[in-house]
Amino acid sequence: EPEVTQTPSHQVTQMGQEVILRCVPISNHLYFYWYRQILGQKVEFLVSFYNNEISEKSEIFDDQFSVERPDGSNFTLKIRSTKLEDSAMYFCAPGEYNEQFFGPGTRLTVL
Amino acid sequence: GENVEQHPSTLSVQEGDSAVIKCTYSDSASNYFPWYKQELGKRPQLIIDIRSNVGEKKDQRIAVTLNKTAKHFSLHITETQPEDSAVYFCAASMDSSYKLIFGSGTRLLVRP
Repeated sequence: EPEVTQTPSHQVTQMGQEVILRCVPISNHLYFYWYRQILGQKVEFLVSFYNNEISEKSEIFDDQFSVERPDGSNFTLKIRSTKLEDSAMYFCAPGEYNEQFFGPGTRLTVL
Repeated sequence: GENVEQHPSTLSVQEGDSAVIKCTYSDSASNYFPWYKQELGKRPQLIIDIRSNVGEKKDQRIAVTLNKTAKHFSLHITETQPEDSAVYFCAASMDSSYKLIFGSGTRLLVRP
């Protein structure tokens, strides 16, 4: 099972502020995914990343979201102007094709 | 797009009994079906998965069955223990996408 760390573990922000969530996989993987989970609900796909490019994104992943691999190892998920409904757990998941292992997550709270 | 339905939403069993959670999927192109266990406040953890070229897979007390014709798959937990209490999510994906589409989850409570 691939290891991955996510920072911060908890982020509290004001509505309209930008947040950057970070994910550091311990080893290289072909694919990289971001998911979110609103409290008490199911896990929802946001975006997949392959070969340093976005390979697919969901309807949730609108213009306020972006994903980057700034230094070849870390992955970042940026939300430009947070909304109350962005409050959720955000999980990164490195994977080999569709087998995916979730990181510990970042709890985002938008006030 | 793919849609995954999961039942029941909650399940309470006596310790030692079996538990069965069922999921149906809509897209016949889906060919990978993992199950995740999520304890309170923790990440979803992959516990077992099955691909469409097999009908059943077992790992100790857990097993998954797949019926491609009916487009449904099930998680079976035998000899349940209190530590099996958690929320279980099924998911589906396909080779053209690899993204996981999750069911709505089943909260399993194992009563000692």
